Amino acid sequence: AQKITQTQPGMFVQEKEAVTLDCTYDTSDPSYGLFWYKQPSSGEMIFLIYQGSYDQQNATEGRYSLNFQKARKSANLVISASQLGDSAMYFCAMIFTGGGNKLTFGTGTQLKVEL
Amino acid sequence: EPEVTQTPSHQVTQMGQEVILRCVPISNHLYFYWYRQILGQKVEFLVSFYNNEISEKSEIFDDQFSVERPDGSNFTLKIRSTKLEDSAMYFCASSARSVNTEAFFGQGTRLTVV
Repeated sequence: AQKITQTQPGMFVQEKEAVTLDCTYDTSDPSYGLFWYKQPSSGEMIFLIYQGSYDQQNATEGRYSLNFQKARKSANLVISASQLGDSAMYFCAMIFTGGGNKLTFGTGTQLKVEL
Repeated sequence: EPEVTQTPSHQVTQMGQEVILRCVPISNHLYFYWYRQILGQKVEFLVSFYNNEISEKSEIFDDQFSVERPDGSNFTLKIRSTKLEDSAMYFCASSARSVNTEAFFGQGTRLTVV
């Protein structure tokens, strides 16, 4: 069975510092996609970044980058130059080609950016 | 920028009542989803919908739940007889393709069953 694990329930980072949010996954499916979503306190789910299992390069979107280590089955999110507005819950999610078209989410990491 | 729109943002209902949660997906998307997030817990898949039929559903999506695309723009989730444990944030999402593409989420409907 496919599984997503986020082992950090909460993280603190100082403003302007970089932070890494961990995500590991487990699947035997060779084709899959990895996503990160941000959920601020207002509740909406905001797409941040996507990495395909066959992508050769790590995905980047502005201050977000995904550290994809396929052999280790990890897809950590790196946020550079943290801002106060980055304080939110962050979810790692996965879609499996052999698993239909649904997203499977991890339990999330609550990030707090401090001055 | 196109977005998924959900109404209402918050719904309070009495146990046993029927509720309909409404969503307007992004117009050129073909795949539609409902997810649920109980307060403080992770987001859970409920159902996916394509070509006017359910393509997949989870064990949560029992006979009390149904989905419909009554016209070319709306996508609805109906809960026939709500239970206290149905209290959650319900997210609608849509995507252009079925796999390996991001799903865009609406802002959610917070359902409170009393």
